[in-house]
Amino acid sequence: AQKITQTQPGMFVQEKEAVTLDCTYDTSDQSYGLFWYKQPSSGEMIFLIYQGSYDEQNATEGRYSLNFQKARKSANLVISASQLGDSAMYFCAMREDSGGSNYKLTFGKGTLLTVNP
Amino acid sequence: GAGVSQSPSNKVTEKGKDVELRCDPISGHTALYWYRQRLGQGLEFLIYFQGNSAPDKSGLPSDRFSAERTGESVSTLTIQRTQQEDSAVYLCASARRRGTNQPQHFGDGTRLSIL
Repeated sequence: AQKITQTQPGMFVQEKEAVTLDCTYDTSDQSYGLFWYKQPSSGEMIFLIYQGSYDEQNATEGRYSLNFQKARKSANLVISASQLGDSAMYFCAMREDSGGSNYKLTFGKGTLLTVNP
Repeated sequence: GAGVSQSPSNKVTEKGKDVELRCDPISGHTALYWYRQRLGQGLEFLIYFQGNSAPDKSGLPSDRFSAERTGESVSTLTIQRTQQEDSAVYLCASARRRGTNQPQHFGDGTRLSIL
């Protein structure tokens, strides 16, 4: 079974509107972390936001927020007031913290977001 | 700059040749990771270094792949007898420590093309 599932290969949004990118995960660990990264066409991976499994509040970083629903094992990324520069590939990733874990990240296949003017 | 530095940025080589990829992590970052990203795919974990501990090589796809790191400095990923399926972007990341909320900071990657 896939540990990270991103069901939207591509998404379109109008400039200045909000968009939600879906991510569900699968783990039996009690302690884990969820990350979102942005990868523009230039290829670099840019860290956006982090949510820990024990965090009671949803993480926010500027225009990014993470809608964390632990019981549903979902960690959707919400981008508010989309900008043309938000057009990129977005990856959801999980780090499991079980004993001896190397803290590697397991990535989903990504969602390609296109922001239209 | 202060970010993760990888070289070369692009490498084209013939099938069967050996290649060496270099990663210079952010100063003070004890954890270093190598990932592979095939075209249109997410990242696959290859290997992890933490300080002077034995590396976790569980993600290496075959014995043609190896990596080294001395202490908390530069790492090299070596692919011997390259095959066409090795064509991918190889990304290096470093993190401050094995902390629960420490994000991994990525380099720009090496785009490897095997002819």
